[in-house]
Amino acid sequence: NAGVTQTPKFQVLKTGQSMTLQCAQDMNHNSMYWYRQDPGMGLRLIYYSASEGTTDKGEVPNGYNVSRLNKREFSLRLESAAPSQTSVYFCASSPGTADGYTFGSGTRLTVV
Amino acid sequence: QKEVEQDPGPLSVPEGAIVSLNCTYSNSAFQYFMWYRQYSRKGPELLMYTYSSGNKEDGRFTAQVDKSSKYISLFIRDSQPSDSATYLCAMSVLDFGNEKLTFGTGTRLTIIP
Repeated sequence: NAGVTQTPKFQVLKTGQSMTLQCAQDMNHNSMYWYRQDPGMGLRLIYYSASEGTTDKGEVPNGYNVSRLNKREFSLRLESAAPSQTSVYFCASSPGTADGYTFGSGTRLTVV
Repeated sequence: QKEVEQDPGPLSVPEGAIVSLNCTYSNSAFQYFMWYRQYSRKGPELLMYTYSSGNKEDGRFTAQVDKSSKYISLFIRDSQPSDSATYLCAMSVLDFGNEKLTFGTGTRLTIIP
């Protein structure tokens, strides 16, 4: 019963370094999402993929890129990390019907 | 003005009390209404889901939607320490096969034994 799996769980980066956050779901969901969660700001959508082969910007896309590798996997890349990108990142998936989202357990990223 | 407003709390109540959590919204297009529960250092998990005005009950939890007032509530009866978490309301529209959720900022709840 894996659901949505995110790796890594924790990461510390230096300013300017790059990294990719990985997300995979085993529920055959069509749609996948990347959020960041900051104190007092709630969940903010970074990018989403409504279906395999498509990606769209969300509320806060600057500084990020995404790849929908296949139906199962949706990765988030930080090309040049900045301290403002220190956050908890959540991946989520949805069947595309009115069923809500299933979230992963998150990646805690600190940029120093 | 945010589309979804939620009091961030924190809210502390004694064990056994009835808890009331609320959200208001401004977008009349929202069709579906949800409550997520998020334990510390975990991802949000779907707790309640409803699409119509009125009440929906699941054990100790009751979700209430009033579309005319654009107001939703979550009631927790006989609250337990295990209910201590952050509760996020969420609302959605279906857009060409994609469900788009808008979240409240969350209310942090602590149940005191």
